[in-house]
Amino acid sequence: DAGITQSPRHKVTETGTPVTLRCHQTENHRYMYWYRQDPGHGLRLIHYSYGVKDTDKGEVSDGYSVSRSKTEDFLLTLESATSSQTSVYFCAIRKTENTEAFFGQGTRLTVV
Amino acid sequence: AQTVTQSQPEMSVQEAETVTLSCTYDTSESDYYLFWYKQPPSRQMILVIRQEAYKQQNATENRFSVNFQKAAKSFSLKISDSQLGDAAMYFCAFMDSNYQLIWGAGTKLIIKP
Repeated sequence: DAGITQSPRHKVTETGTPVTLRCHQTENHRYMYWYRQDPGHGLRLIHYSYGVKDTDKGEVSDGYSVSRSKTEDFLLTLESATSSQTSVYFCAIRKTENTEAFFGQGTRLTVV
Repeated sequence: AQTVTQSQPEMSVQEAETVTLSCTYDTSESDYYLFWYKQPPSRQMILVIRQEAYKQQNATENRFSVNFQKAAKSFSLKISDSQLGDAAMYFCAFMDSNYQLIWGAGTKLIIKP
């Protein structure tokens, strides 16, 4: 499983509240990613990181921010959660740029 | 923009039979990577197989093999001797020149005992 842990695994939150999801890896890989998965869309990239303090936006980054202050942790924050952000969120790592991604177990987030 | 299309939202197969899942993609690039991932009900995303576009030989992993047709931009997954544990969502993914993964919408595979 490439030593990836996501927390929490499940969360229910209210509209307008901030939410932070954590991705922790134990193997010091450089590349980390946050995706969301919705029915009919496969996975869509929210943000990614290619090193400590180096992050960039993906195709669905609006309403999300990320931080990576340590190699092992990549945090995804919803500043003010909305119902459209109800989804399953996956963290992934890549060992090098051109290799396959390994995924965490996912976090199911429900915004009510 | 690159796109990945999985035209079969759902497929079913009898246990022990063979099934092929379709994937087509659109790109103007010549060097890229393609992947198939499996997502069982546990939600875990599991890599099934990987194909480099520069390789003419089709990738194989035990009962899983691909039919990679570069000119047709087709990347189908064949599962032989289907087992109950193969029941899952299967996602095709394309890695572009920026090393980002572009995903298809998935195919739900049902195994009939």
